[in-house]
Amino acid sequence: GAGVSQSPRYKVAKRGQDVALRCDPISGHVSLFWYQQALGQGPEFLTYFQNEAQLDKSGLPSDRFFAERPEGSVSTLKIQRTQQEDSAVYLCASSLVVTTNTGELFFGEGSRLTVL
Amino acid sequence: KQEVTQIPAALSVPEGENLVLNCSFTDSAIYNLQWFRQDPGKGLTSLLLIQSSQREQTSGRLNASLDKSSGRSTLYIAASQPGDSATYLCAVSPGNTPLVFGKGTRLSVIA
Repeated sequence: GAGVSQSPRYKVAKRGQDVALRCDPISGHVSLFWYQQALGQGPEFLTYFQNEAQLDKSGLPSDRFFAERPEGSVSTLKIQRTQQEDSAVYLCASSLVVTTNTGELFFGEGSRLTVL
Repeated sequence: KQEVTQIPAALSVPEGENLVLNCSFTDSAIYNLQWFRQDPGKGLTSLLLIQSSQREQTSGRLNASLDKSSGRSTLYIAASQPGDSATYLCAVSPGNTPLVFGKGTRLSVIA
């Protein structure tokens, strides 16, 4: 596609439910990032993939958060047993280059998660 | 740990005014700095990317400068328009780690 696509755009979950958020990066982009953005804050890094390899998951806030990119394209961020503090916008970004520090990032529109 | 601060947090200006948004970072060892725009309910759009070896980048009415040694960047918007109203985010790449973002400056341009 022309840009990074995320789905669903909006998700309301009851506390304790599992959710899955999908990201379709720009075709051919090697690097894929997930960020969490709370209301009124800047995005906070969650995890980074280079192709199918998850090279950095240091930003995942707990073991309830899990991300995968099995074929090096589409990625899924899964949150188990959601809590109210998980409410945020989850942003996916992709980059053509393989390193984290030299490429321009292209962001999707995000998935807004509200946990009741 | 790299920290990014953006001042002011919010800014309201009349249409046509030139304005400056400020970004500071605590560790000058960065690879690049990016300015993004975020409209309400939307993702981030990259505006300008400045490599550590560069001092400024320009795109249309936007000009971003970088002073790595002092840990500062500014985004200059000339002849502001209501369509420029958005949140502007600054982010630095500290090395082999992902971007670190500031909290943004929320800009309102009043017609």
